[in-house]
Amino acid sequence: DAKTTQPNSMESNEEEPVHLPCNHSTISGTDYIHWYRQLPSQGPEYVIHGLTSNVNNRMASLAIAEDRKSSTLILHRATLRDAAVYYCILRDPRLRGNQFYFGTGTSLTVIP
Amino acid sequence: NAGVTQTPKFRILKIGQSMTLQCTQDMNHNYMYWYRQDPGMGLKLIYYSVGAGITDKGEVPNGYNVSRSTTEDFPLRLELAAPSQTSVYFCASSYRVNSHEQYFGPGTRLTVT
Repeated sequence: DAKTTQPNSMESNEEEPVHLPCNHSTISGTDYIHWYRQLPSQGPEYVIHGLTSNVNNRMASLAIAEDRKSSTLILHRATLRDAAVYYCILRDPRLRGNQFYFGTGTSLTVIP
Repeated sequence: NAGVTQTPKFRILKIGQSMTLQCTQDMNHNYMYWYRQDPGMGLKLIYYSVGAGITDKGEVPNGYNVSRSTTEDFPLRLELAAPSQTSVYFCASSYRVNSHEQYFGPGTRLTVT
């Protein structure tokens, strides 16, 4: 599986936008980019995914570089509830069992 | 829907003891997974199942066993607990083989001493 590289930690002020980067220089043409987050003492939860085009949903936006070697998760207005570990995960949906491989992610701190 | 539920929430085991971690989902999902998460680390896949009666190994299956007799339940068995199995265990499920979204349970925190 292609690997991803994320900063270990980031800080943001409350109510300001947050841009969480992810590098994936060995991404294959069939890998989707997924973002999950894990709030303290909880299981991970799905945030967003995309293949080539930028994506928006109620939680966040995903900006994908034209060469697909990097992507950015955008939280438009950080709240205290957004403090979590954010995982950028590549996955080819053809894989048997729908396996996701989680790295160590980026720990986001939101400052009031 | 309750989603994915796990029991127990916490457990302390002595070395060599056995136990079963329970996982149930009420979303009629075909695919179910067990992960473990060691302190400060990401999640590692232990076992997964693509349907009742079918299971397969993930990254770190040693020391664990699973079974899938129904769509709803996917228990994880530890036969001879070791300190290296101290971890938080998460169960997850998804509907389709190419589903982008997995639904996770709240986790079971296991300590082996």
